[in-house]
Amino acid sequence: EAAVTQSPRNKVAVTGGKVTLSCNQTNNHNNMYWYRQDTGHGLRLIHYSYGAGSTEKGDIPDGYKASRPSQENFSLILELATPSQTSVYFCASGGGQRKNTLYFGAGTRLSVL
Amino acid sequence: QQKVQQSPESLIVPEGGMASLNCTSSDRNVDYFWWYRQHSGKSPKMLMSIFSNGEKEEGRFTVHLNKASLHTSLHIRDSQPSDSALYLCAASRSSNNRIFFGDGTQLVVKP
Repeated sequence: EAAVTQSPRNKVAVTGGKVTLSCNQTNNHNNMYWYRQDTGHGLRLIHYSYGAGSTEKGDIPDGYKASRPSQENFSLILELATPSQTSVYFCASGGGQRKNTLYFGAGTRLSVL
Repeated sequence: QQKVQQSPESLIVPEGGMASLNCTSSDRNVDYFWWYRQHSGKSPKMLMSIFSNGEKEEGRFTVHLNKASLHTSLHIRDSQPSDSALYLCAASRSSNNRIFFGDGTQLVVKP
């Protein structure tokens, strides 16, 4: 099965601080995604990428930047973290043979105090 | 704007019963649908996919798709307590790679 690794798994940040969430996939998938999930809700798309060097805005990009320096790595950057960004963040990769079925990492639980 | 609507929000079924979950897209250009299952504290995992009109069955799980109404449904027969989870519907256009998720249906199977 596809392997997607996120780090860190848990993070506590201070308001106004910079936070970087990292994601690595070993499946050679072209597409990578960042979603956030708030308690009891579905997944909201923040940024996604078609391949190395590309980033696209999702539905809720404000306050977030993304970086795709290589096929394997996709980062989510919060330049000035706010308490409203407290959430669980999931990275996913897709684009294999099953019409872009997504494979998710284990998630990062971020608390901004 | 919510492009994928799921119903019901929550569902309780007895062990051995049938669970029926619904999903509709408001984006008329959607081509592909998936159902993901997310157990508490875990990440979502793809359960079933459907890309053309009709029905697809895999074990206890059956998924239907009506492209004209942009409606898909997931049916779980002989429900087990291990099926208790959040079920997420996802949709995408074939022309791009944006994948939208609904808010999910929380299924509880009571022994």
